Amino acid sequence: SQTIHQWPATLVQPVGSPLSLECTVEGTSNPNLYWYRQAAGRGLQLLFYSVGIGQISSEVPQNLSASRPQDRQFILSSKKLLLSDSGFYLCAWRLRQGKDNSPLHFGNGTRLTVT
Amino acid sequence: AQRVTQPEKLLSVFKGAPVELKCNYSYSGSPELFWYVQYSRQRLQLLLRHISRESIKGFTADLNKGETSFHLKKPFAQEEDSAMYYCALRPGATNKLIFGTGTLLAVQP
Repeated sequence: SQTIHQWPATLVQPVGSPLSLECTVEGTSNPNLYWYRQAAGRGLQLLFYSVGIGQISSEVPQNLSASRPQDRQFILSSKKLLLSDSGFYLCAWRLRQGKDNSPLHFGNGTRLTVT
Repeated sequence: AQRVTQPEKLLSVFKGAPVELKCNYSYSGSPELFWYVQYSRQRLQLLLRHISRESIKGFTADLNKGETSFHLKKPFAQEEDSAMYYCALRPGATNKLIFGTGTLLAVQP
């Protein structure tokens, strides 16, 4: 069966420090991968998605970047964190198959607090 | 612009009462719509999708293209239905899923 791992679960970082959140998927190949941010009152905001290795689509201009160095690995990064980067970050995957309406499968999320 | 609107941040009902969680979308093409649910201390997960025309845990949702709505309904709420509910739109043949801001459903005993 497919599983998704996201770490760390919580992170407290000072302003200006770098960030690296990692997400890996097991049990499937060629998944679509997604990073969302969940903020109070703003729901789930799509940050990045990827349909293959090295292919990243950015949905909103921001202080973050994403990379997909391997088929089932998706990394969210920042060179210098801002206070506004605080939030709950969710990684998700979805099967990529033809005319699909396959659902998203979410990880447990990372709670990032920038101080 | 493609958008999903959930006008209610919080919906509080009593057990046994009917529930309707509102969702409106903005998209000019043929949408695919979903409802996701997040129970306390659990992952966000799919509840139902419009294309399946299914009923899950007593919930149903009908796509109304005229009103661009996809409201989630249940005739008799249960306490275990208390959760955060998100409506989501997949615009056409794209790979992204756009979520609304969510509605917290609280079912009182």
